[in-house]
Amino acid sequence: QSALTQPPSVSGSPGQSVTVSCTGTSSDVGSYNRVSWYQQPPGTAPKLMIYEVSNRPSGVTDRFSGSKSGNTASLTISGLQAEDEADYYCSSYTSSSTFVFGTGTKVTVL
Amino acid sequence: EVQLVESGGGLVQPGGSLRLSCAVSGVTFNSYWMHWVRQAPGKGLVWVSRISSDGSTTTYADSVKGRFTISRDNARDTLYLQMNSLRAEDTAVYYCARQQDYSNDYWGLGTLVTVSS
Repeated sequence: QSALTQPPSVSGSPGQSVTVSCTGTSSDVGSYNRVSWYQQPPGTAPKLMIYEVSNRPSGVTDRFSGSKSGNTASLTISGLQAEDEADYYCSSYTSSSTFVFGTGTKVTVL
Repeated sequence: EVQLVESGGGLVQPGGSLRLSCAVSGVTFNSYWMHWVRQAPGKGLVWVSRISSDGSTTTYADSVKGRFTISRDNARDTLYLQMNSLRAEDTAVYYCARQQDYSNDYWGLGTLVTVSS
């Protein structure tokens, strides 16, 4: 199972919006609305930010939103803040009943 | 408060074995599927394995199939990962995580496994 493809880095100024893409195949992202997004600041454990493509867990700010089109899922961070600087990973359930993570994207606040 | 605490990591020689544990508290452990996820130093997250709430169903990443075994003791609220035939490429921080809605909503802090001679 190959990792889902994410851009290595994205950046934006405070207040701007940035979008992180996550491209899979018809065997994972394209077949299931079981895509999640995780935030991982350096030296910490991952934190769930989005589940089932576009749902936010309790306590996650609505500046984070998710969507999906075909084999590509996206995470958008609106009103970018310094505290959003972290690595972000997507994840998807697969047709093999396994899970696969994305390659990870470093979000930098300029 | 939900807590997941991993233990059992350390330095092991190539070809050796190690068993990781994940103690879970603050939640009805036997109601949830559980996962192991690893992260090599400076690298991304990699899914390793998951187990059903009653322990009857397990799945593995191809990279560990036949070498790693996931299990659980619902009486002790503990998840395990038995790792055999360890290789240098298995060096990573290993996280346990709870599954909720096909996502991992709670994670431990991780335990470091180093495979080296």
